[in-house]
Amino acid sequence: NAGVTQTPKFRVLKTGQSMTLLCAQDMNHEYMYWYRQDPGMGLRLIHYSVGEGTTAKGEVPDGYNVSRLKKQNFLLGLESAAPSQTSVYFCASSYFGSTQYFGPGTRLLVL
Amino acid sequence: AQSVTQLDSQVPVFEEAPVELRCNYSSSVSVYLFWYVQYPNQGLQLLLKYLSGSTLVKGINGFEAEFNKSQTSFHLRKPSVHISDTAEYFCAVSVGGGADGLTFGKGTHLIIQP
Repeated sequence: NAGVTQTPKFRVLKTGQSMTLLCAQDMNHEYMYWYRQDPGMGLRLIHYSVGEGTTAKGEVPDGYNVSRLKKQNFLLGLESAAPSQTSVYFCASSYFGSTQYFGPGTRLLVL
Repeated sequence: AQSVTQLDSQVPVFEEAPVELRCNYSSSVSVYLFWYVQYPNQGLQLLLKYLSGSTLVKGINGFEAEFNKSQTSFHLRKPSVHISDTAEYFCAVSVGGGADGLTFGKGTHLIIQP
């Protein structure tokens, strides 16, 4: 039981490049979330999903897109990366709300 | 909308001393409350949570927190800290069953001095 895993662990992008972050969970959780963590800001919700095929915007969705084609996976896409998207990205999942379980994070540097 | 305020960005404390990390929230509806801990270069780990029932909640690693509805607070306490408790601590709140995610405070860095 791996819990929540994230791929990749670290990535460097140039401004304007695109990439996809993958989150996978093996706990059969319905809900999944993407957060970003910036120094002194805590974690802020980017997008979330309450089930396969559904997505919704969080607090800071601009510049990101998401997809939940399979229940166990939640993808976060950056179509045209900007330096302001340099951050640590965390994925989380939960069984119908309540306690969220977090992945180890992805460090993204946009030059 | 809900919000969370962690009143101290940094708390230095000597080893084996007690500590309290403060958290206040605002919400117009009932909330669930959480404390998470983040060790350097790691993800977040749940310390404890309040969903309902007893207002004193015990968590892992000897931590506990008390929900005070009248003061809209959920302060975290430990009677005797250890060097290994050095970490970032986040208070978070969810409403409506948590479907639309957690709202986090900005975090408190707990620094344990020998």
